[in-house]
Amino acid sequence: GENVEQHPSTLSVQEGDSAVIKCTYSDSASNYFPWYKQELGKRPQLIIDIRSNVGEKKDQRIAVTLNKTAKHFSLHITETQPEDSAVYFCAASSLGSNYKLTFGKGTLLTVNP
Amino acid sequence: GAGVSQSPSNKVTEKGKDVELRCDPISGHTALYWYRQSLGQGLEFLIYFQGNSAPDKSGLPSDRFSAERTGGSVSTLTIQRTQQEDSAVYLCASSYMGRPSTDTQYFGPGTRLTVL
Repeated sequence: GENVEQHPSTLSVQEGDSAVIKCTYSDSASNYFPWYKQELGKRPQLIIDIRSNVGEKKDQRIAVTLNKTAKHFSLHITETQPEDSAVYFCAASSLGSNYKLTFGKGTLLTVNP
Repeated sequence: GAGVSQSPSNKVTEKGKDVELRCDPISGHTALYWYRQSLGQGLEFLIYFQGNSAPDKSGLPSDRFSAERTGGSVSTLTIQRTQQEDSAVYLCASSYMGRPSTDTQYFGPGTRLTVL
């Protein structure tokens, strides 16, 4: 089955700096890669996703890149703000797996004012 | 519109008791997923329902876990003879058709289960 590795497990940045979180996956059939943000005690919220037919997607301060050959994808947050502080999860899925999401173990991002 | 809802929000039970957790998906969503989030762990897939198809139970950790989805809407996750290692947050998610080309999984607030 699919295996998703996520790094780093914790990340601390100063407000205004950029943050990058990286994930690798094992199943070459995976074709959908969402990123979820989870604040303490809250439900995971989708912040951005990318499908295997594109290499990059942007939404304001957030961008995701995908390298299918290397089987890795990354989340980039620019101009970080304290409210970006949360746990971020990457995930991968495919038709063959009924689109069930296999998650990385999460990255605790702390943005210091 | 209303999002995914789950009940109860918190459940404390004694080891050996059975528990039922409920999920109400977004109206019109045909796909429903259950995940488990243990302390310090990521989210772990448990079971998937899509329309009237047979569920994908490949993530259920033991035969003490079962789930059903009545009328293609509400789902109940049942854990029999609960053990302390079952303590976790149980999250439900729904999507329109289970195809990422057309939809996204939206999560409920979860049920925090504590087994004493």
